[in-house]
Amino acid sequence: RKEVEQDPGPFNVPEGATVAFNCTYSNSASQSFFWYRQDCRKEPKLLMSVYSSGNEDGRFTAQLNRASQYISLLIRDSKLSDSATYLCVVRTWGGSQGNLIFGKGTKLSVKP
Amino acid sequence: ETGVTQTPRHLVMGMTNKKSLKCEQHLGHNAMYWYKQSAKKPLELMFVYNFKEQTENNSVPSRFSPECPNSSHLFLHLHTLQPEDSALYLCASSQGAGFEYNEQFFGPGTRLTVL
Repeated sequence: RKEVEQDPGPFNVPEGATVAFNCTYSNSASQSFFWYRQDCRKEPKLLMSVYSSGNEDGRFTAQLNRASQYISLLIRDSKLSDSATYLCVVRTWGGSQGNLIFGKGTKLSVKP
Repeated sequence: ETGVTQTPRHLVMGMTNKKSLKCEQHLGHNAMYWYKQSAKKPLELMFVYNFKEQTENNSVPSRFSPECPNSSHLFLHLHTLQPEDSALYLCASSQGAGFEYNEQFFGPGTRLTVL
């Protein structure tokens, strides 16, 4: 089983749509969770961290379900500029530090 | 501008060549990382340096050799690579490697093609 699994998409949605991405992780010892965004031919950038209580940043809402080992990202009122690949990222602690484990990413394409 | 720069941005090399990738961070961070991103695969961590000490080598073949002379600079020396090593090589930095919600800042990457 892959450590971090995501639906690769692509998700093709019209402007203004609400879209949800899901991610599952295999290691129950995982402690920290993130969504990164990667534009085409660009580097990944942190979109938001995901906290146990869930968190919201404008049009973006992230939720974590530790029991099901599941993370989600909801984007409301999609904009053309939201088109990118969204990477689910998990930090699992072991040894002296925790390293980031990346999913393959879910591609989003927002159309006019 | 992310504060992490990488050179060169593109590199084409033969299997017998020796080349080096350079990364520099201007963010005052103490941890630096090398990642490999291949088509249709997730980012793979290669090496971690924390306060100039290598703390992680993720079973990377010896044809990849990292060097971290100080907290701001990271190199990846390449020799006798294989065509399957062609990928985007990303450098990242963070405040330190042990913080729970530590954001990593990525450079633009070096697109490597091995002929």
